[in-house]
Amino acid sequence: GAGVSQSPSNKVTEKGKDVELRCDPISGHTALYWYRQRLGQGLEFLIYFQGNSAPDKSGLPSDRFSAERTGESVSTLTIQRTQQEDSAVYLCASSLYRGRLGNTEAFFGQGTRLTVV
Amino acid sequence: DQQVKQNSPSLSVQEGRISILNCDYTNSMFDYFLWYKKYPAEGPTFLISISSIKDKNEDGRFTVFLNKSAKHLSLHIVPSQPGDSAVYFCASQGAQKLVFGQGTRLTINP
Repeated sequence: GAGVSQSPSNKVTEKGKDVELRCDPISGHTALYWYRQRLGQGLEFLIYFQGNSAPDKSGLPSDRFSAERTGESVSTLTIQRTQQEDSAVYLCASSLYRGRLGNTEAFFGQGTRLTVV
Repeated sequence: DQQVKQNSPSLSVQEGRISILNCDYTNSMFDYFLWYKKYPAEGPTFLISISSIKDKNEDGRFTVFLNKSAKHLSLHIVPSQPGDSAVYFCASQGAQKLVFGQGTRLTINP
């Protein structure tokens, strides 16, 4: 597809279970971001991938959160032993890296709404 | 440590008038600034951007102003239309990572 695709669009899980969220970025975009938006809150940065460089994991809230990206393609965000506080919309975005000019604007997917019950 | 701040959580404007949304940042290394618009149940969509070498960028009804000395940017929408009702996020970029503000909910009243 032409845009950023995320799956599933909705996920309800029981507290303590692991979940995996998927993001398919725009083809050719080397930069990929994960953000989280809790109800009534802003966009909270989680992790940033840029090509083959080490990812910026500074936003991951705990060691229960991890993310992987294979090359410049699909990324998965994994949350282990989910807690109710993990309930949020998880948003993925991708952009084109232009070297010293930095990234172009980021394009977002529609998000995955995670509900932990 | 909030590097990008939108101090107004909400703004209400009459249709046809100007909407002004404000954003402040703290990191002088930021060199690229963006505004996004978000409708419920959708991902944010890019609106307009400005690099630090400029102080104004215009695209149709949308104009972004950057005041580097004050570390402040604003988005002007004129004339405001009902379809502009949404949450607006400003974002700043430096060293590649994109940092967002908390958002301002804009409501355009008929």
